[in-house]
Amino acid sequence: GAGVSQTPSNKVTEKGKYVELRCDPISGHTALYWYRQSLGQGPEFLIYFQGTGAADDSGLPNDRFFAVRPEGSVSTLKIQRTERGDSAVYLCASSLTRAPPLHFGNGTRLTVT
Amino acid sequence: EDKVVQSPLSLVVHEGDTVTLNCSYEVTNFRSLLWYKQEKKAPTFLFMLTSSGIEKKSGRLSSILDKKELFSILNITATQTGDSAIYLCAVDGDNAGNMLTFGGGTRLMVKP
Repeated sequence: GAGVSQTPSNKVTEKGKYVELRCDPISGHTALYWYRQSLGQGPEFLIYFQGTGAADDSGLPNDRFFAVRPEGSVSTLKIQRTERGDSAVYLCASSLTRAPPLHFGNGTRLTVT
Repeated sequence: EDKVVQSPLSLVVHEGDTVTLNCSYEVTNFRSLLWYKQEKKAPTFLFMLTSSGIEKKSGRLSSILDKKELFSILNITATQTGDSAIYLCAVDGDNAGNMLTFGGGTRLMVKP
């Protein structure tokens, strides 16, 4: 596609529920990143994929968060037992190789009530 | 741990003014520094800087890096209301994930 696509654009869920956020990177980009941006702050790194494998998941806050990229293209960020503190904008980015610049999608705004 | 600090946190100017946004950093094995503009949604790439003292310019925007003093500035001349956004600075250090470490951003509002 022309740019990084993220769905849904907005997600409202109840505390304790499970959510999946989807990212479709720019075609041909091998590197894919997930970031989380809370209100008034810069994006914080969550996980980085090179191809199908998670090369660095050191930013995932706890084991409720998990991400996959089974075919090296689309990625899904999964959050179990959501908490109100998970409310944020989840940004996905991709790059052609391991080097920047990263190209960001419009994000998914997650609200946990 | 890599660290990026941006100042000011927010700024209000009038159209036609010139603004300077600041970014200081601490990073292990610096590779590059990037500036992004974030309006309502996706951060959009502005500049990537790797060498000290070489100005990057795009229209009314310019940026320069000082690797000795560990900072960068982003200048915007003759500001327009369309420049209103959050400006994010990020550094790429020598980390296994090749991820960017972002500052908290500067929120710029340009009034007519």
